[in-house]
Amino acid sequence: AQRVTQPEKLLSVFKGAPVELKCNYSYSGSPELFWYVQYSRQRLQLLLRHISRESIKGFTADLNKGETSFHLKKPFAQEEDSAMYYCALSRKAAGNKLTFGGGTRVLVKP
Amino acid sequence: DAGVTQSPTHLIKTRGQQVTLRCSPISGHKSVSWYQQVLGQGPQFIFQYYEKEERGRGNFPDRFSARQFPNYSSELNVNALLLGDSALYLCASSGLAGVSTDTQYFGPGTRLTVL
Repeated sequence: AQRVTQPEKLLSVFKGAPVELKCNYSYSGSPELFWYVQYSRQRLQLLLRHISRESIKGFTADLNKGETSFHLKKPFAQEEDSAMYYCALSRKAAGNKLTFGGGTRVLVKP
Repeated sequence: DAGVTQSPTHLIKTRGQQVTLRCSPISGHKSVSWYQQVLGQGPQFIFQYYEKEERGRGNFPDRFSARQFPNYSSELNVNALLLGDSALYLCASSGLAGVSTDTQYFGPGTRLTVL
């Protein structure tokens, strides 16, 4: 069975500092990886997906199949980045059903 | 479009009771998925429906059931409620169900408290 692990429950950084959220997965096949974000009082929404290879709001994430990781990075954190972040995985053979990690709360201090 | 809508927003039940949660997908979306999010944890997949047929079921007991209607809205039913069923129940819709990269759009959730 697939599993997604986010080892940090809370990341606290100062504005302008780099931030990296770790995500490790276990799955023997070819996964699709996503990062979802939930801002305060808002619903869960897609931030980015590995297949798009895009940068959203300054965030990037690289899929490392050798290390089975999909870490999320931003070089200069902003206060509006404070939110809950979830890494998620879907299996090609199982459609778009998502397996989520436990989430990391990011707090960007002024 | 208001996006995915869910009702009710909050619900309080007692142990042993039954509850029905409702979800309306984004217009044009034919797939609805249900997730349970216990406080402090990530969402956990419960069910997925596409074109009124069940396409997947997570590791949940038979007390949990769901269905999808011809207008693609969906209901999640939980019987014989336990304290451990207290959680935020999320509904997500997508255009497709068989494409692993198809984005899921989430509703605001229904907060269920079991006393």
